[in-house]
Amino acid sequence: AQRVTQPEKLLSVFKGAPVELKCNYSYSGSPELFWYVQYSRQRLQLLLRHISRESIKGFTADLNKGETSFHLKKPFAQEEDSAMYYCALSGRYGGATNKLIFGTGTLLAVQP
Amino acid sequence: DTGVSQDPRHKITKRGQNVTFRCDPISEHNRLYWYRQTLGQGPEFLTYFQNEAQLEKSRLLSDRFSAERPKGSFSTLEIQRTEQGDSAMYLCASSGQEIYNEQFFGPGTRLTVL
Repeated sequence: AQRVTQPEKLLSVFKGAPVELKCNYSYSGSPELFWYVQYSRQRLQLLLRHISRESIKGFTADLNKGETSFHLKKPFAQEEDSAMYYCALSGRYGGATNKLIFGTGTLLAVQP
Repeated sequence: DTGVSQDPRHKITKRGQNVTFRCDPISEHNRLYWYRQTLGQGPEFLTYFQNEAQLEKSRLLSDRFSAERPKGSFSTLEIQRTEQGDSAMYLCASSGQEIYNEQFFGPGTRLTVL
């Protein structure tokens, strides 16, 4: 079964502290993994994807196929990072649907 | 604003009524997706269009739900005989042709069924 698990509903950290948002997945093939973010009163938007291997707003995520994880990390949290974060996967269907399967989300609250 | 737009943004209806939502994707995008999000959950896939062809429907999409994309541009999602369980945020997303193209989401339509 295709599934994305985000075990934490809420993660509260202080400004300047490291952040790690956990994501584990279950997928039989080779998935494409994403992190989407939703800031207050804004629409859902892509933060980063594993295939591009880039750092966005100081966030990075490494795909660990052995542990089937795609945790999101940032060394020093900022207040503006406070948002809802969703981990998602898509199958590498080769031109087919590419529908996204989302986790339940983690609310990151960065305290001053 | 050249992003994905959805109309209406909010809809309150009584149980048993029909409702229709509209999604206007980014103009050059040929792929269009509908998702549903309930409280405390992530978005769940409902259906997918490539141009005007509806290529996949989730089992979540009961017979009361129908979606169209008649000219391969805007799309509509209709719910007939609404039930309280249909209350949710309905999200539309679009993407380009390439396999790994980013999906761009609209602001959503929040449906409340009384």
